[in-house]
Amino acid sequence: GAVVSQHPSWVICKSGTSVKIECRSLDFQATTMFWYRQFPKQSLMLMATSNEGSKATYEQGVEKDKFLINHASLTLSTLTVTSAHPEDSSFYICSARVRLAGGALYNEQFFGPGTRLTVL
Amino acid sequence: KQEVTQIPAALSVPEGENLVLNCSFTDSAIYNLQWFRQDPGKGLTSLLLIQSSQREQTSGRLNASLDKSSGRSTLYIAASQPGDSATYLCAVFTGGGSNYKLTFGKGTLLTVNP
Repeated sequence: GAVVSQHPSWVICKSGTSVKIECRSLDFQATTMFWYRQFPKQSLMLMATSNEGSKATYEQGVEKDKFLINHASLTLSTLTVTSAHPEDSSFYICSARVRLAGGALYNEQFFGPGTRLTVL
Repeated sequence: KQEVTQIPAALSVPEGENLVLNCSFTDSAIYNLQWFRQDPGKGLTSLLLIQSSQREQTSGRLNASLDKSSGRSTLYIAASQPGDSATYLCAVFTGGGSNYKLTFGKGTLLTVNP
């Protein structure tokens, strides 16, 4: 259980285009999802917290107009990198927090396999 | 602001050795601590999760300890194998409500030589 998928697993795009990455919880409800970015040889940095039905909360230094997050359902969150530039090339990973029966949130995150974005 | 530090940054050992990876964190008010493995170009694989009330967790050849008051955790790998080669990440859960957050260290790159 607690499987999280991401699509696509890798994408190459031209500078100036927009790219959408999907994060899905396959067998559980995820009222909260998280988006991370990882540059080569660096650790994961939290970009934003995505709550179903509300606006995402962005970490300091992350441009909300550039990284659009939509959490429209309990099993899907999307990250759109708008007008991507080469410096946006990175490994993007999402995670989801499990909602237990009764509504409580479990203190563990389950991670997707990541999406490798390369902007030419 | 929570900061997580992992030492060493890289470690190379011969096959069969027992080894210890270290993780420290600045804010001891954590819910739990988790160790992950990451292979090159891949996502994260959860290894062990230690609740704040626990002292250690074991899974196979892995043993993780937690000293919350001193802000330290160690990951012990027994009888290391070449397949253990990967980056090991330590992460702590802090905050509450909308401030719930997972903070990662930079990882330890482990190479086990046959």
